[in-house]
Amino acid sequence: GAVVSQHPSWVICKSGTSVKIECRSLDFQATTMFWYRQFPKQSLMLMATSNEGSKATYEQGVEKDKFLINHASLTLSTLTVTSAHPEDSSFYICSARALGQGYEQYFGPGTRLTVT
Amino acid sequence: GDSVTQMEGPVTLSEEAFLTINCTYTATGYPSLFWYVQYPGEGLQLLLKATKADDKGSNKGFEATYRKETTSFHLEKGSVQVSDSAVYFCALYFGNEKLTFGTGTRLTIIP
Repeated sequence: GAVVSQHPSWVICKSGTSVKIECRSLDFQATTMFWYRQFPKQSLMLMATSNEGSKATYEQGVEKDKFLINHASLTLSTLTVTSAHPEDSSFYICSARALGQGYEQYFGPGTRLTVT
Repeated sequence: GDSVTQMEGPVTLSEEAFLTINCTYTATGYPSLFWYVQYPGEGLQLLLKATKADDKGSNKGFEATYRKETTSFHLEKGSVQVSDSAVYFCALYFGNEKLTFGTGTRLTIIP
């Protein structure tokens, strides 16, 4: 149980275009979802926390207008990278947590974004 | 701020060797500590945890003890297997919803 999927697993887009990444909880209702970014040889950096039906809370330094997060249902959150640039190339990972789960987060396999 | 420092990888060991991956943390207070494992092509999975000083977390032959005096949570396994090849992340949690991760250590076990 507690499976989280991400789609796509990898994507290549041209500079200036937007790309959407989906995060789904397959067998539980995720009241909270988290989006992380991971650079090569660096730790996972939390970008934002989203609660179902509410606006996402972004970490300091993360541009909310560039990284649009939507958590419209209890099983789906999306991250849209708008007007992507090569420096946005990275590995994006989502995680999901059910109500009352405390620290327990279930992670997706990640999405590799390459902006050319 | 809170931070986690892990030993740099990659680490390559022969099967049945003893494994230690070092992890130290900096935090104001006493966080909960975790080790996550990421197998190829999969998401991070919780491997073990410890919520207070001197607690020992264990799972799948792996162990880690919460050492307040040295602010450490080193991961150990007495005899590794090829199937243990993965990336291991140390993390801390303070009850504010946020996990703080180390950089990850890639472990490769050769037969």
